[in-house]
Amino acid sequence: GENVEQHPSTLSVQEGDSAVIKCTYSDSASNYFPWYKQELGKRPQLIIDIRSNVGEKKDQRIAVTLNKTAKHFSLHITETQPEDSAVYFCAASISVRGGNTGKLIFGQGTTLQVKP
Amino acid sequence: DGGITQSPKYLFRKEGQNVTLSCEQNLNHDAMYWYRQDPGQGLRLIYYSQIVNDFQKGDIAEGYSVSREKKESFPLTVTSAQKNPTAFYLCASSIPGARHLNTEAFFGQGTRLTVV
Repeated sequence: GENVEQHPSTLSVQEGDSAVIKCTYSDSASNYFPWYKQELGKRPQLIIDIRSNVGEKKDQRIAVTLNKTAKHFSLHITETQPEDSAVYFCAASISVRGGNTGKLIFGQGTTLQVKP
Repeated sequence: DGGITQSPKYLFRKEGQNVTLSCEQNLNHDAMYWYRQDPGQGLRLIYYSQIVNDFQKGDIAEGYSVSREKKESFPLTVTSAQKNPTAFYLCASSIPGARHLNTEAFFGQGTRLTVV
């Protein structure tokens, strides 16, 4: 089955610096890769996602890159702010129109601390 | 916070007792999931269901059981066979790949189970 590895487990940066979190996946059939942010005591919420037919996607200060050959994808946060401090999870899933998978496997999480 | 609701928020159980965690959604989603969250281990999939009256084991199903008699509801029972049940449990729902390629998962606010 699918396995997702996420690194680093903790990351501390100064406000304004960039942060990068990396994930690798094992199942080459995976084609949907979301990233979730979980603030302390709250539920995980989707911040960005990417499908296997694109290599990069940006949304303001957040970007995700995907390398299908190497089976890894990364989250990039630029100009970090203290409110970016949270736990970030990557995930991988197989999404097939007409199919019936949708099983979402998560990485172990990265605790990001942005120091003011 | 509408959409997907878990109850109760906190739950205490004596050793040897079964306990059922509730998860209800009004998003008309077909797929529902149960995850267990432990520090440093991310979100681990317990069970998932992609359609009413059908469910599949995830990576850590031992000691748990589920039912999916209604589209809106996916209760999780933690049985006495679960050796280390103290954890934070998250329920999620999504539209599976059969109808939409976007399989964003929406999470409930979680139930923290403590065995006393």
